[in-house]
Amino acid sequence: AQKVTQAQTEISVVEKEDVTLDCVYETRDTTYYLFWYKQPPSGELVFLIRRNSFDEQNEISGRYSWNFQKSTSSFNFTITASQVVDSAVYFCALKQGYSTLTFGKGTMLLVSP
Amino acid sequence: EAGVTQFPSHSVIEKGQTVTLRCDPISGHDNLYWYRRVMGKEIKFLLHFVKESKQDESGMPNNRFLAERTGGTYSTLKVQPAELEDSGVYFCASSQPFGAGSHTDTQYFGPGTRLTVL
Repeated sequence: AQKVTQAQTEISVVEKEDVTLDCVYETRDTTYYLFWYKQPPSGELVFLIRRNSFDEQNEISGRYSWNFQKSTSSFNFTITASQVVDSAVYFCALKQGYSTLTFGKGTMLLVSP
Repeated sequence: EAGVTQFPSHSVIEKGQTVTLRCDPISGHDNLYWYRRVMGKEIKFLLHFVKESKQDESGMPNNRFLAERTGGTYSTLKVQPAELEDSGVYFCASSQPFGAGSHTDTQYFGPGTRLTVL
């Protein structure tokens, strides 16, 4: 069975602070994919990143970075110098083979000015 | 290119009534998925179409839910009769056709339909 845990229900930070959103996953497969999605107040789920299980290189995209560690089954997401526009619910998800996405419960990030 | 669209954005109905949700996927995307998020819970898979065929409907909660995708374009999800526990946000997602031996599809989501059953 596969499972995704986002232990942080809500995080509040002040603008310009760095913040890390945690994601821990469980899977018995050796081939799988991990995703992060952002859900802003407008409601849609916006795709942020996809990583496969064979690529443990960390990735940086602007103020966003992702740390994938198979040893701890974690795929954490860091926002550097957070901005008010980063306020949203962030979902981590896991996909095995042709199966569909398994989501975590999401972490609500509130960035105040 | 237009993204995934869903209609309506909100629906408020009474228990026992029927509601039909619509999803228009990204053009050219053979794969279409329905998911649901009940308040405070995870987003849960409902079913998956490949073109007009149901590939996996293991997540459909019961036979009050009926999904169709006639012609392999847009899809509808009908709830009849609606119950209180059906309230939640229904998301639709689409992805490109699976490549030969590849299943590394990224699913692109619509804005969701918020369903409230009173």
